[in-house]
Order: sequence, then C-alpha cells, then structure tokens
Amino acid sequence: SYALTQPPSVSVSPGQTARITCSGDALPKKWAYWFQQKSGQAPVLVIYEDNKRPSEIPERFSGSSSGTTATLTISGAQVEDEADYYCCSTDSSGYQYVFGDGTKVTVL
Amino acid sequence: QRRLVESGGGVVQPGRSLRLSCAASGVTFSSFGFHWVRQAPGKGLEWLARISSDGRNKTYADSVKGRFTISRDNSKNTMYLQMDSLRSEDTALYYCAKLTTSFWGRGTPVTVSS
Repeated sequence: SYALTQPPSVSVSPGQTARITCSGDALPKKWAYWFQQKSGQAPVLVIYEDNKRPSEIPERFSGSSSGTTATLTISGAQVEDEADYYCCSTDSSGYQYVFGDGTKVTVL
Repeated sequence: QRRLVESGGGVVQPGRSLRLSCAASGVTFSSFGFHWVRQAPGKGLEWLARISSDGRNKTYADSVKGRFTISRDNSKNTMYLQMDSLRSEDTALYYCAKLTTSFWGRGTPVTVSS
C-alpha cells in the first residue's frame, strides 16, 4: 500500500529554521497537507494544498513541494512549535488517504 | 460555533463489535465528506475511512477494509463507524474529521481487551 516517508525527528535551536520532508511517489500529482499535533490535543492543519497557510497559522510556517518530496518549513522556530508533525496525502487514485509516520520537532 | 463530537467508544472484547458516532453542529453537514482517523497509544495518525457528502462513495484503508463500515445520516448530522471483529491492535483514540482542515473532534477511546 501507498506510504509517505518522514524523518522521525528534527531538532532546531530557537530562532533557527526547521525543515521536515515528506516523500511519496504520488506527490508530484497530489496535494500534501501538514498537521501539527501537540501532546494530548487533536491535530491542527498548518499547511494545505502543498503551500497554503490557514489564516490562523503564523507566517513562520510554510510549505513547498517538488517532485516526490513535500517540505514543511518553520522559519524562526519557537519553543511553542515543539510538536509532532504529520504529512498527509492520497495515493495516485485520489481515494485512499495516508499519513506519514510523523516527525517530532524539538526546539531547544 | 462548529463542532464534531465523537461518542460510542469503550472497552470491548476481541472479536466483538462497536459502533462509533460523530455528531456535527454549526456546519452544513450534508455538504461535506468526512473521515475517521485513529491514533494508537504513543503512535502516529492512521487514516481509516472516508465517506462522501451524500454517503454514496466510501473508501477504506486496507487495514480495516471488510471489518469496518462508514456511514452517515444527513438528517441527523451524524456519521458512524461500525467496527466488527475487533482486534487488540484496534485499540486507539478514534477521531472524526473534515480531514484537510482543522475541523476535527476530540476523539473517543476504544480499548480492545479480554
């Protein structure tokens, strides 16, 4: 079955840039979505359709996609950005959704 | 204010069934497709199923196909997940969601244990 691959963890110092990648064979033709999940909370959408940011999400969050890799970038990471981040997309049919395994972002 | 509220979770023995509900408010429920997603303790998010706005089109993850059934009643603004032949690995927090948005419920826990 289709899978999205993310690194298990990313560490960054406050104010630095964190980049999280998500690889999948269908990404050249399918949108990527990014969710932030803090401990004990439901996921929150931070990027949709590869690079669009919901109005309530800080501008330091951005997304891009090239070929089979989508990337979430946190520019000037803050301590409050520590969380698990999941990419989400569909397989080539567009009917089956899948999440990546998640990336734990540590800001210290 | 729009809300999704899951219910129906609990402790169930392996092989038994459980039906989860997801009640929507503050939104035109019949206009949107919705999803079920679960998260096992300490694990990542797992997409389970999607149902179209009119209920006619349904898709499932391979891990639950044939055991779980998604449905909806637009007259009641409610979506369901019928879970049969439950296994210990189905133990998780189950969310309903308008997936590609931040419109998610808080989840209902399911524990499959003898």
